[in-house]
Amino acid sequence: EVQLVQSGAEVKKPGESLKISCKGSGYSFTSYWIGWVRQMPGKGLEWMGIIYPGDSDTRYSPSFQGQVTISADKSISTAYLQWSSLKASDTAMYYCARRGVVGANFDYWGQGTLVTVSS
Amino acid sequence: QSALTQPRSVSGSPGQSVTISCTGTSSDVGGYNYVSWYQQHPGKAPKLMIYDVSKRPSGVPDRFSGSKSGNTASLTISGLQAEDEADYYCCSYAGSYTPWVFGGGTKLTVL
Repeated sequence: EVQLVQSGAEVKKPGESLKISCKGSGYSFTSYWIGWVRQMPGKGLEWMGIIYPGDSDTRYSPSFQGQVTISADKSISTAYLQWSSLKASDTAMYYCARRGVVGANFDYWGQGTLVTVSS
Repeated sequence: QSALTQPRSVSGSPGQSVTISCTGTSSDVGGYNYVSWYQQHPGKAPKLMIYDVSKRPSGVPDRFSGSKSGNTASLTISGLQAEDEADYYCCSYAGSYTPWVFGGGTKLTVL
């Protein structure tokens, strides 16, 4: 069974750093792209970026380029999303999702990680 | 890349059909047959309902169907059921620079 399990909720202060994770299981982790999607409170989905764990090829949405870093450790089948200096506006639910082998869809999603940034 | 345009809300009675539109440009919806639709219930992760414009993943009822004409894609839900009440998002591939763009989401209410 394909599963993406994300790390737990985080509460941080502005200016702090953070790295959240997404662990894949039940499939060949290095053979599928993993994307990250933001959902701000009461708002829609926004595509942030995507990584191919096989060779760490990474693409970012222009809206998030320079604001976050996406990485992966294929030895432990885990993708990451990190911030070096959080802002209150980073408060959101963050989802990881696997890109399907065919086409350009996201066929499996993690349960989400809620990040709250507040002083 | 601007978000794809969806109606904020649609509604229908049980058993009826509803259609949700998703309008983009020739750089995304109109340029690729890679439109997908996601269902999101409150507090839950999105779920893939339609991919490649009109294909259904295993397990998705055939009451859900997708289509595309020019720069507009559509999701049709026939035989509405109470459990279909959710938010629906379209998503399109948009090329190598900004590969994916989502719609703003549509809240479906089953009356």
